[in-house]
Amino acid sequence: QQQVKQSPQSLIVQKGGISIINCAYENTAFDYFPWYQQFPGKGPALLIAIRPDVSEKKEGRFTISFNKSAKQFSLHIMDSQPGDSATYFCAASNRYTSGSRLTFGEGTQLTVNP
Amino acid sequence: DAGVTQSPTHLIKTRGQHVTLRCSPISGHKSVSWYQQVLGQGPQFIFQYYEKEERGRGNFPDRFSARQFPNYSSELNVNALLLGDSALYLCASSFPGSTQPQHFGDGTRLSIL
Repeated sequence: QQQVKQSPQSLIVQKGGISIINCAYENTAFDYFPWYQQFPGKGPALLIAIRPDVSEKKEGRFTISFNKSAKQFSLHIMDSQPGDSATYFCAASNRYTSGSRLTFGEGTQLTVNP
Repeated sequence: DAGVTQSPTHLIKTRGQHVTLRCSPISGHKSVSWYQQVLGQGPQFIFQYYEKEERGRGNFPDRFSARQFPNYSSELNVNALLLGDSALYLCASSFPGSTQPQHFGDGTRLSIL
C-alpha cells in the first residue's frame, strides 16, 4: 500500500516534443506528490509538487496532472530539451506517518535527442 | 544560500567495517531525513529526525542508526557493513510536516569491497 508505481522505465523524445511520465498509487493517505529530477552524480532536485485538492499545476514547461479518483498523477514536460535528459522520480508522502517520509517510484530515464 | 551538504562525497569500505556519514541541512530546516539509493532504483527512506528525536524509521536493520545534533546536523551510522550496503546515501532537509518540500544533498557514494 505504500508503493508508488512509475512508468515508463525509459523514454526517448525528440527535441521540442512532449515527455509524459505516469505514476499510480494505492494509499489514499498520501497527501503530497512531488516530482524530482536527478542527473548522474547528483542528488534529486525538486521540480514541482501537487496536493490532492488540485487537479493540475503548471510551472514553466513542467505540468503535473492529478486524478484523485483514479489515484494517478503524471508529469508533462513541454518543448523537451536535451538538457532535460535525466532520471525523473515521482514520490508521495503520507499524512499519517510522522513527519516527511517520501515513497519514491522506480524512476524514468528520459533522453531528449537533439 | 547553501543547500544540503553531505560528507564525504565518496567512501570505500570493506565488509564488516563501520561507517559514519554526515549531513548539514539548509539553514532554518529542523527536519533531516536519510535515504538509500541503490543504482537504478528510487531512494528508499531510512530515518527521519526532527528536534533531535527519531520521527520515522524505514525497513532497515538495526545495523543502521542515526542521530541529530543541537545545530540540526545529522549523522548516519552503519555497522557490520555488507556488500549490499553499497549505494548512494542521500540526506534531505525540510520544515516539519508531510507536505513540506524536501531538498536533497548530492549524497555520499558508499562502496563496499
